[in-house]
Amino acid sequence: GAVVSQHPSWVICKSGTSVKIECRSLDFQATTMFWYRQFPKQSLMLMATSNEGSKATYEQGVEKDKFLINHASLTLSTLTVTSAHPEDSSFYICSARGLGDEQYFGPGTRLTVT
Amino acid sequence: GENVEQHPSTLSVQEGDSAVIKCTYSDSASNYFPWYKQELGKRPQLIIDIRSNVGEKKDQRIAVTLNKTAKHFSLHITETQPEDSAVYFCAEGNTGFQKLVFGTGTRLLVSP
Repeated sequence: GAVVSQHPSWVICKSGTSVKIECRSLDFQATTMFWYRQFPKQSLMLMATSNEGSKATYEQGVEKDKFLINHASLTLSTLTVTSAHPEDSSFYICSARGLGDEQYFGPGTRLTVT
Repeated sequence: GENVEQHPSTLSVQEGDSAVIKCTYSDSASNYFPWYKQELGKRPQLIIDIRSNVGEKKDQRIAVTLNKTAKHFSLHITETQPEDSAVYFCAEGNTGFQKLVFGTGTRLLVSP
């Protein structure tokens, strides 16, 4: 149980384009999902908290107009990186909170912006 | 603000030895402390967690201890095996706010 999927697993896009990443909880309903980014050999940095049916809460320093988050259902949250630039290249990981405090992570999406 | 310090950043042990990783947090309201294992290029996997009403929790070769007074918690792995090699992250959270703050990670290398 508590499986989280993420799609795509990797994506290469050109600078200036937008990329959408999907995060799904497969066998449980997640009212709260989280989006992280992770640079090589670094820790996970929380970008935003996504609550079903309401606006996402962004961490300090994260541009909400650049990283659009939509949590339209109890099993799906999406992150759209708009007007991507090379510095946005990173490993993006989502997580979903279960019934308790536990967070279950998706497999991650490696974004490369050329 | 929230901050989690994690030590050491790298840890090399021989197979069969024990490994200990320690984290220190600053938010006295934190009451949930999970540990994650992340292999290269893969997702973090929850391996054990502890809540503030418990001082120690054990699951086979893995144990976590919590000292709320000193605001630190530790991961103990006994009888290490090469497959334990990975990056380990501690985290702290508050059930009221839901989000987790992660430590900087410890790269554990277990040599056969």
